[in-house]
Amino acid sequence: QITLKESGPTLVKPTQTLTLTCTFSGFSLSTSGVGVGWIRQPPGKALEWLALIYWNDDKRYSPSLKSRLTITKDTSKNQVVLTMTNMDPVDTATYYCAHTGYAGVIISGFDYWGQGTLVTVSS
Amino acid sequence: EIVLTQSPATLSLSPGERATLSCRASQSVSSYLAWYQQKPGQAPRLLIYDASNRATGIPARFSGSGSGTDFTLTISSLEPEDFAVYYCQQRSNWPLMYTFGQGTKLEIK
Repeated sequence: QITLKESGPTLVKPTQTLTLTCTFSGFSLSTSGVGVGWIRQPPGKALEWLALIYWNDDKRYSPSLKSRLTITKDTSKNQVVLTMTNMDPVDTATYYCAHTGYAGVIISGFDYWGQGTLVTVSS
Repeated sequence: EIVLTQSPATLSLSPGERATLSCRASQSVSSYLAWYQQKPGQAPRLLIYDASNRATGIPARFSGSGSGTDFTLTISSLEPEDFAVYYCQQRSNWPLMYTFGQGTKLEIK
């Protein structure tokens, strides 16, 4: 059974750096084809893809946020970490991590999602 | 950057009716398109991946079609639990990135 759970601060101040951790179970991020992504959703708005890391440490970022994002993985701990610098109130959103792919196969969607964590940016 | 445009923004139908949701890409995404259902307070749920493959546990009344730039999600006969917001999402290879549409709200008429 695949599960993912996001953790991190619920409140950050403007200009601070946000660090979110996705802790997962039920799969290995060293399996070919597997990736973990981060997606966010401001209150009442649409989903926005942020970043993704693959089993082979290939990392991809949203072009509009690339300069502010860093994604890393710790395969031994079953964790993926996302950092976002220079936080602004417009970054207030629910942040999700999600799983994609399976043994040797890259698919177009995210098939398992965490419950999400609401991050508020305010002074 | 590929833009996904979903239509309509809101669709009002009754249980038992057929729902047809559209997603158009600004350039070809081949078949690398997925559909999600999201209910209030919940994470999105993957319905369809690679344009036409139902995800595990998804009822047969959900089907996806299309390739290139035009895609459709069809719900053959609406059940009460199907009223939600639906998003399409593409995965492009060059550069490798993902994009979501703005969503279609399926509401009870």
